[in-house]
Amino acid sequence: AQSVTQLDSQVPVFEEAPVELRCNYSSSVSVYLFWYVQYPNQGLQLLLKYLSGSTLVKGINGFEAEFNKSQTSFHLRKPSVHISDTAEYFCAVSDRENSGGYQKVTFGIGTKLQVIP
Amino acid sequence: SAVISQKPSRDICQRGTSLTIQCQVDSQVTMMFWYRQQPGQSLTLIATANQGSEATYESGFVIDKFPISRPNLTFSTLTVSNMSPEDSSIYLCSVEVWGIYEQYFGPGTRLTVT
Repeated sequence: AQSVTQLDSQVPVFEEAPVELRCNYSSSVSVYLFWYVQYPNQGLQLLLKYLSGSTLVKGINGFEAEFNKSQTSFHLRKPSVHISDTAEYFCAVSDRENSGGYQKVTFGIGTKLQVIP
Repeated sequence: SAVISQKPSRDICQRGTSLTIQCQVDSQVTMMFWYRQQPGQSLTLIATANQGSEATYESGFVIDKFPISRPNLTFSTLTVSNMSPEDSSIYLCSVEVWGIYEQYFGPGTRLTVT
């Protein structure tokens, strides 16, 4: 079984300031890791994913995340946020060993990022 | 990629009634997923719908309460039956293109049960 913990339910940050959204996971096997974003009244959209290789993953809209296996973390960062980044962000994990081509994905409870003008 | 639409976008229903949610994809996909998103909680997988076979339900979800149809490779429905206020939630469908390890989500159906 796998689980995801997002340590902050809400993160307020001023525009143009940096932000880090924290995510820790638990799994007994190797995993794939994801960050999704959900804008108001919309579905989830993939920001970035870690499958293998470099532990620093770059995604859309200037976001990046770093996979840290020893700390079982996959924190999301952006050096300078914009008002348009206001949204809810979900960290997710899937089991690499049991993918069979399709994944069963476990999501965190989400972190609401509020960018203050 | 895949573009997904859902109908209705929102609805307010009375206790004891049923609502069928439709999910349409702009390309053929094998697997479709139905999730529930409750306030303050993570997305919870209800079931996986594979075209041509019975849906596979997760623990805590049963076919009598959430019957699913998957008549072809671009369409699926989820019915929320005999609704109670506890069923008030956002229901999302998603698809995954085989081997890409990325899910595409519909905009969701916001259901309120009174």
